[in-house]
Amino acid sequence: SYELTQPPSESVSPGQTASITCSGDKLVDKYVSWYQQKPGQSPVLVIYQDTKRPSGIPERFSGSNSGITATLTISETQAMDEADYYCQAWDNYIGVFGAGTKVTVL
Amino acid sequence: QVQLQESGPGLVKASQTLSLTCTVSGDSISRSSLYWSWIRQPAGKGLEWIGRIFNDGTINYSPSLESRVTISADTSKNEFSLNLSSVTAADTAVYYCARGSRAAAGFDYWGQGTLVTVSS
Repeated sequence: SYELTQPPSESVSPGQTASITCSGDKLVDKYVSWYQQKPGQSPVLVIYQDTKRPSGIPERFSGSNSGITATLTISETQAMDEADYYCQAWDNYIGVFGAGTKVTVL
Repeated sequence: QVQLQESGPGLVKASQTLSLTCTVSGDSISRSSLYWSWIRQPAGKGLEWIGRIFNDGTINYSPSLESRVTISADTSKNEFSLNLSSVTAADTAVYYCARGSRAAAGFDYWGQGTLVTVSS
């Protein structure tokens, strides 16, 4: 079965840049979405189609897909960005999520 | 504004069938280019995709759950449902319904989630 691999954790200082990676086979052929989930809340879509931001998502959230690794970048990280982040893609009509990365803002 | 609301029993006995319904407001589940999914999350763990149904009735299931899962839709009520049979403690989780689109390929609206506990 298809897998997306994320690091379990990432620490970042306020105002600095956080980069969360998501690796998987043949990512070049897939669109990657990213979700932010805070404790006790439903996930929120922050990036879709590798690089696009839904309305209402701050510009400090950006995404990229090199074909081998997809990356979610949070620029000028704020305390409110502390959350779990999940990447997601489709493989042969099957939805796949990464295991999630816990971002801690120290 | 699009809203999704899960409903159903919060407690299910082992070996029985878990049944949940997602009621959609602010959009039509019959609208083309959209699909409607179920996703679950055990306590302290990550998200697991269960399956989806398109407006034309096309359904995809997670291979790991396919033998036990049925997703259906009732367009007259603008809701879709999840049935998961032969449940065990491993099926205890928060269950979310979510909307996706063919164009965006992501889930842009989510329900608040409902906790289902499987008791022995």
